[in-house]
Amino acid sequence: DTGVSQDPRHKITKRGQNVTFRCDPISEHNRLYWYRQTLGQGPEFLTYFQNEAQLEKSRLLSDRFSAERPKGSFSTLEIQRTEQGDSAMYLCASSSSGQGLKTQYFGPGTRLLVL
Amino acid sequence: GQQLNQSPQSMFIQEGEDVSMNCTSSSIFNTWLWYKQDPGEGPVLLIALYKAGELTSNGRLTAQFGITRKDSFLNISASIPSDVGIYFCAGTLTTGTASKLTFGTGTRLQVTL
Repeated sequence: DTGVSQDPRHKITKRGQNVTFRCDPISEHNRLYWYRQTLGQGPEFLTYFQNEAQLEKSRLLSDRFSAERPKGSFSTLEIQRTEQGDSAMYLCASSSSGQGLKTQYFGPGTRLLVL
Repeated sequence: GQQLNQSPQSMFIQEGEDVSMNCTSSSIFNTWLWYKQDPGEGPVLLIALYKAGELTSNGRLTAQFGITRKDSFLNISASIPSDVGIYFCAGTLTTGTASKLTFGTGTRLQVTL
C-alpha cells in the first residue's frame, strides 16, 4: 500500500508530557500537510511543507507545536507540555505540486488524548 | 478558523433513497473537494472539482462546482448501508495559500434498512 501512513494511531498521555507523531506521505509527493480535527468539526489546517521547507503555519500552531520534514520525505509533529485542549485527531495529508489541482490525500490520523 | 457552511448537519434516510447535501461560503473558491470520513479514520477523497460549473460523477456520486464559485453540492443516488459516515466539503480559496484546504462543518449520513 502506498498511501499516507501515520504512527502511532492512538496516543494517551498525561498533561505536561511531550508527544511526537510521524507521517509518511505518498512516495514522490513533495507537499505534506498537518491538520487537527476536534470532535464534531472538520479538519483545520496547521502547517505545510514543500520538500523540506515549512511554507506556512496556522495561528493554531502555538509555540508548543513544532513540525519538521528534514529530508523532504517523512514529517514529525511534536507537541511539548501537552494540555487537555490538545486532545484531537491529528491528520497528515500529501500532494504533488505539479500543474493543476494539487489533490490532498489523507492518512488515517493519530488520535491524541491528554489526561 | 474559517469553515464552510454545510447542510444538512445530519440526515437519516432509508436504503435506496437519494441524498443531497450542499456547501456554501461567503468567499470565492478555486477548487472544491468532497471527502467521506468513517469513525476513527482519515477523510477519503470522493470527488474533486476544478472549474466553476463543472459537474463530475463517481459511480453513484455526483458533485457540482457552483457558477458563483461560492457553493457546491454532492448527490448520492440509491443509498446503501456503507454510505454511512460523515461527508465533508473542502476547498482552496482564491486568496492566501493555494494549498491550504478549508473544510466544511460536515454532514452526518445514517442509512436505515
